[in-house]
Amino acid sequence: AQSVTQLGSHVSVSEGALVLLRCNYSSSVPPYLFWYVQYPNQGLQLLLKYTSAATLVKGINGFEAEFKKSETSFHLTKPSAHMSDAAEYFCALRKGGFKTIFGAGTRLFVKA
Amino acid sequence: DAGVIQSPRHEVTEMGQEVTLRCKPISGHNSLFWYRQTMMRGLELLIYFNNNVPIDDSGMPEDRFSAKMPNASFSTLKIQPSEPRDSAVYFCASSREETQYFGPGTRLLVL
Repeated sequence: AQSVTQLGSHVSVSEGALVLLRCNYSSSVPPYLFWYVQYPNQGLQLLLKYTSAATLVKGINGFEAEFKKSETSFHLTKPSAHMSDAAEYFCALRKGGFKTIFGAGTRLFVKA
Repeated sequence: DAGVIQSPRHEVTEMGQEVTLRCKPISGHNSLFWYRQTMMRGLELLIYFNNNVPIDDSGMPEDRFSAKMPNASFSTLKIQPSEPRDSAVYFCASSREETQYFGPGTRLLVL
């Protein structure tokens, strides 16, 4: 069965520090993987996606993620956090077909 | 290019009333999804359509919930009768290929 696990429901970083949000997946077939961001009172927005091309995927707002098959991971990083990055982040997996499985979300706090 | 449009953005109703949520997907997208988001349960897929046909409604909580997609540009999610535990944010999303695009959501409060 396919699943997505986000490690840590809350992550707090200082402004300017590295952001690392962890996501592990389980899939019996090559997955499509996504990171979405949700700002307060808004819908989810696509940050980036992996669709079996380059393993290092660059997204919007300076975020990137690396697909590591050996570790079944797709962690999201940003070298330097900004106050505007404070939001909830969702890792998601789509295995062919139509359904996308979302992780439980990680809320990112950025301290001044 | 307009994104996914949902209406109303906020709805407050009393227990037992009928609630209808509306969604207009992005033009050209052939899949449509309804989600519910709560603090306790996170983001839950309720139902999804492909080419206006319901494919999987296993996430619909109970018979009080129903969804329709009469054409490629409109879908509704209906709750009848509504209950306080239905209070949540309901999102509609559409896709053409692998990426889903979300609407702004409808925040529903059932008193």
